[in-house]
Amino acid sequence: DADVTQTPRNRITKTGKRIMLECSQTKGHDRMYWYRQDPGLGLRLIYYSFDVKDINKGEISDGYSVSRQAQAKFSLSLESAIPNQTALYFCATSDGAGGSYNEQFFGPGTRLTVL
Amino acid sequence: RKEVEQDPGPFNVPEGATVAFNCTYSNSASQSFFWYRQDCRKEPKLLMSVYSSGNEDGRFTAQLNRASQYISLLIRDSKLSDSATYLCVVRRAAGNKLTFGGGTRVLVKP
Repeated sequence: DADVTQTPRNRITKTGKRIMLECSQTKGHDRMYWYRQDPGLGLRLIYYSFDVKDINKGEISDGYSVSRQAQAKFSLSLESAIPNQTALYFCATSDGAGGSYNEQFFGPGTRLTVL
Repeated sequence: RKEVEQDPGPFNVPEGATVAFNCTYSNSASQSFFWYRQDCRKEPKLLMSVYSSGNEDGRFTAQLNRASQYISLLIRDSKLSDSATYLCVVRRAAGNKLTFGGGTRVLVKP
C-alpha cells in the first residue's frame, strides 16, 4: 500500500465550485505539505503544517485553505475554483525529528482542471 | 529572476553516453541541495543529496559550487530508464521548506 495517498486522483470542475483535495499518510510523519506543479514552473509550496496545531502559508496561498484534521490527514480546499488553479497538486510528508533536513515523500498527485 | 533555475531541455542522450546539466540558485543563504527525479505524470522522488565535497551514487555524480551558486548532476553510462525530469531543489533555512527548479528533462534513446 502507498504511504502517501491523495484523493481524488483526477477532478474536473467548473469555475466557482468548492473543491477539497485530501491527503493521508501512514508514515507517521509530523510534517505535511501541499504543492502545485505547473509546466516549467516546478513545484510551488501552497501551505505546510509541522504538526496538528500548526498551519503556515507557503509562497502561493491565495485562493486556498487547508485543514490538518489529524497527524495523518491534511486537506486542501479551493473555496471558489478559478481556471488558473488548473494544475497538478502534490501532497508531501517529512519526518520532523532532528531539526535538520528530512526527505520529503510525495503522494501520487491530483490532476485538477477548472473549466 | 527565479530562485532556482534549470535548463528545461530536453537533453537527448544516446544510451551509454554521459550527460551533465546544471542548476543555479540565487540565494546565497541556501543551505542544502538535492536532486529529485520525476517520471512523467508521477510524483517526485529524492535521487540524491548534494554535499559540499561532491558525492557519487553509482552512475550519478553531484557537485556543488557555492562560489558560483550552482549545482550539477552528471549521469554516466545512461540507461533508457534514466529518462525523466530531474528537479533541482534548494533548502534555505531550518524548517524543511524546499524551493524547486522547473526541472531538466532527459531523454535517453537507443
